[in-house]
Amino acid sequence: GAVVSQHPSWVICKSGTSVKIECRSLDFQATTMFWYRQFPKQSLMLMATSNEGSKATYEQGVEKDKFLINHASLTLSTLTVTSAHPEDSSFYICSADGREGFEQYFGPGTRLTVT
Amino acid sequence: AQTVTQSQPEMSVQEAETVTLSCTYDTSESDYYLFWYKQPPSRQMILVIRQEAYKQQNATENRFSVNFQKAAKSFSLKISDSQLGDAAMYFCAYRSGTNAGKSTFGDGTTLTVKP
Repeated sequence: GAVVSQHPSWVICKSGTSVKIECRSLDFQATTMFWYRQFPKQSLMLMATSNEGSKATYEQGVEKDKFLINHASLTLSTLTVTSAHPEDSSFYICSADGREGFEQYFGPGTRLTVT
Repeated sequence: AQTVTQSQPEMSVQEAETVTLSCTYDTSESDYYLFWYKQPPSRQMILVIRQEAYKQQNATENRFSVNFQKAAKSFSLKISDSQLGDAAMYFCAYRSGTNAGKSTFGDGTTLTVKP
C-alpha cells in the first residue's frame, strides 16, 4: 500500500513551452501533497505544498506563476511548468501524506530537460 | 526556521562492516519527527527509519538503527552488516508536527560499500 506514481518519468521539451507533471496516490487519499525539486547530487528543495480543493502554498523564492500547482482531487496533484527555460531542467519529486499524517510517500520523480 | 546538517558528504564502508552517518538539526519546536531516507541511483526516495521526537527509545529496523539524542539535537544512523545494496545517498530529514507538516532535508551523505 501507499504507492505514489508520477507521470511522465522523464520529459524533454523545447524552451518556451509548458509541461505538466502528474502525481497520483494510487491506493490512498492524500489531502496534502508536496512538490520538490532536486538538482544532481543535491538535496530536495521544497517548492510548494498542495492541498486538495485550495490554492497551493509556495515556498519563498518559487514563482507561483511559473510553477502552477493544482490539487483537484484527493488522489491527484499536478505541477505545470509554464514557459519552460533550460534553467528549469531538474528532477521533480512529489510526495503525499500517509494515513498517519507524519509519514510521506514519495513518487519516483520526473526528469525534466528543457532544450 | 529548522535546519538539518549532515557533515559527511561521503562515507565508505567495507561490506559486512558497520558505518554511522551523522545528522544534527536545529529547532525550537517540541513536536516533530525525524527520518532517514535512502536514495539509490534510481532516485526513488525510500524510507529507512523514522523517530518520533516524543519517544525516548531509539528506533530500529533490522540492520538500521538510530542514536537519537534530543538534547543535543543529534540523530545518527547506524548501518550494521553493510551490504552492497546499501550503497546510495542518504538524507536525514526533519518534519514539523505543526508547521503544515513541512519537511527539511539535509544535504545528504553518499555511502559507498566496498566488496
